[in-house]
Amino acid sequence: NAGVTQTPKFQVLKTGQSMTLQCAQDMNHNSMYWYRQDPGMGLRLIYYSASEGTTDKGEVPNGYNVSRLNKREFSLRLESAAPSQTSVYFCASNTEKGRVYTFGSGTRLTVV
Amino acid sequence: GNSVTQMEGPVTLSEEAFLTINCTYTATGYPSLFWYVQYPGEGLQLLLKATKADDKGSNKGFEATYRKETTSFHLEKGSVQVSDSAVYFCALSDPWGYNKLIFGAGTRLAVHP
Repeated sequence: NAGVTQTPKFQVLKTGQSMTLQCAQDMNHNSMYWYRQDPGMGLRLIYYSASEGTTDKGEVPNGYNVSRLNKREFSLRLESAAPSQTSVYFCASNTEKGRVYTFGSGTRLTVV
Repeated sequence: GNSVTQMEGPVTLSEEAFLTINCTYTATGYPSLFWYVQYPGEGLQLLLKATKADDKGSNKGFEATYRKETTSFHLEKGSVQVSDSAVYFCALSDPWGYNKLIFGAGTRLAVHP
């Protein structure tokens, strides 16, 4: 099915461990985004990529890095996980006109 | 900067009651406005959208009108069902910022039989 695929769905890390969250879309969208969702705070933008080969910081980029590997894939890396990064992470993509967004099903990350 | 403010929840209603969830925004330019819904344990689904002033978005009995004069996009439904219980997010698309979505904090709706 067309859409945005995120892996893994769940992950538990120890403080200081690293991991990469994967995201892929098959809709030929140029723009891709990573958000985190915390209770009472809605979704906040971590990083985005307006097109292949470009990435920019969003509202809460500290502690994260991203890679836009190709047009389909946009990964999010935690180099040294901290308990404050416990959250649900969503990847999204949209069309050039920015009016049709598609979200992945999310990754629930717990850092202990 | 751009921002979205929506009413705090939780909102608790009886089945068939009328629903309003308020949403106001601050933005430069002419953003598109969205309502997303998140059912328990799931991701976000687009509920409705409006792309210019005075547009009305509607879906599944929900509707919202893009009011530029009051910078509002309130969500309404005439008769809620138990199955509408979810978290609702108002959002705007920043047209000058690569169409990044800016979300409100979310409003939890609980509908009881």
